[in-house]
Amino acid sequence: EAQVTQNPRYLITVTGKKLTVTCSQNMNHEYMSWYRQDPGLGLRQIYYSMNVEVTDKGDVPEGYKVSRKEKRNFPLILESPSPNQTSLYFCASRRGFGLGGELFFGEGSRLTVL
Amino acid sequence: DQQVKQNSPSLSVQEGRISILNCDYTNSMFDYFLWYKKYPAEGPTFLISISSIKDKNEDGRFTVFLNKSAKHLSLHIVPSQPGDSAVYFCAAEKRSGGSNYKLTFGKGTLLTVNP
Repeated sequence: EAQVTQNPRYLITVTGKKLTVTCSQNMNHEYMSWYRQDPGLGLRQIYYSMNVEVTDKGDVPEGYKVSRKEKRNFPLILESPSPNQTSLYFCASRRGFGLGGELFFGEGSRLTVL
Repeated sequence: DQQVKQNSPSLSVQEGRISILNCDYTNSMFDYFLWYKKYPAEGPTFLISISSIKDKNEDGRFTVFLNKSAKHLSLHIVPSQPGDSAVYFCAAEKRSGGSNYKLTFGKGTLLTVNP
């Protein structure tokens, strides 16, 4: 089954404690991206990657890091989480650009930073 | 600067009637538009899309209309069903002439279809 898998799905942590949210896709997609969803703000892009070893900032990259060492994996790293990073996070992937290159989303990771 | 706007945070409709969700955009470089649907505790899923070379695209109960001169698109759901109750996100991107690899989303509209 084609899917984007995120872990953990739920996490409560404390300020400053480094954490990683993993993302893996089994569709051999070149493009992967991270979004956060906040009430009244919709979906905002954090980082994206066009292929292995190629990453770039989205609209709200501050406080986050990413890496793309393998095509299937795109982890989101919070080196020193702060309460304003409490949010619902979505990883997404797509085959490419042009007709049919729609985004597939994971089920989301709800992060609370105390 | 919000480039994709969904000005109605919520919409309530009776089962069997038409639901119309609206979306406006400001960036004239956008040439491809999509609607995503999101249920609670799930990720968004692709619903329907339209290229700027068209003004209408239909898929079953769902139709998207594009008015390029007004920079406006709308999603029509006919007839509406209780299972359509979800948050709907409008999104836009530039695909032709070199993509900027960025899909810009609106804030979403919560649709509630009452039985």
